[in-house]
Amino acid sequence: DTEVTQTPKHLVMGMTNKKSLKCEQHMGHRAMYWYKQKAKKPPELMFVYSYEKLSINESVPSRFSPECPNSSLLNLHLHALQPEDSALYLCASSLKAHPILIETQYFGPGTRLLVL
Amino acid sequence: TQLLEQSPQFLSIQEGENLTVYCNSSSVFSSLQWYRQEPGEGPVLLVTVVTGGEVKKLKRLTFQFGDARKDSSLHITAAQPGDTGLYLCAGVVPGANNLFFGTGTRLTVIP
Repeated sequence: DTEVTQTPKHLVMGMTNKKSLKCEQHMGHRAMYWYKQKAKKPPELMFVYSYEKLSINESVPSRFSPECPNSSLLNLHLHALQPEDSALYLCASSLKAHPILIETQYFGPGTRLLVL
Repeated sequence: TQLLEQSPQFLSIQEGENLTVYCNSSSVFSSLQWYRQEPGEGPVLLVTVVTGGEVKKLKRLTFQFGDARKDSSLHITAAQPGDTGLYLCAGVVPGANNLFFGTGTRLTVIP
């Protein structure tokens, strides 16, 4: 099973709303990632969790708050987003995060977010 | 500046034609992966190459990792409409904790 699942598939929210994105994998991977992808652009890394601890935050604004409750789950809490935050949010996992030598990342289908 | 540059950026070809997509960098990578992504979906892994000079085949797709591990190519033989999508290369820099994505090649195969 090489599946990473993400919910919801689509999300529309206002700038004052609070919402959460969820990602789950049962491959025993100990590294999980959040990426943001704008239309016609490659994915951009946001956060890396390694063994349930945040190891990389790519200078992401605090209105995005990640959480890793256990090794299978990764959440992204959203609050007071801006319209320019509208994008496809991708979750990925790999066997481990550090050091990465040949680790393959497996991606979920993404959550398409629209901020009004 | 992008760490990984892909060319061409866009490619539109007829069904049955062959094509090659290139992924180039001035950096050395521990490994390089190729993904295909369809609109509104996450990238799907096609292959991981690790050894310089390595060639891997996946049905009609042939992947090559450069001898110096700075570049890679993807060759598709007899393209089919189902090959349509965004092709992304992504490299792992030694000692880094993340994957650097290429600029992407958007392929359209016309029936």
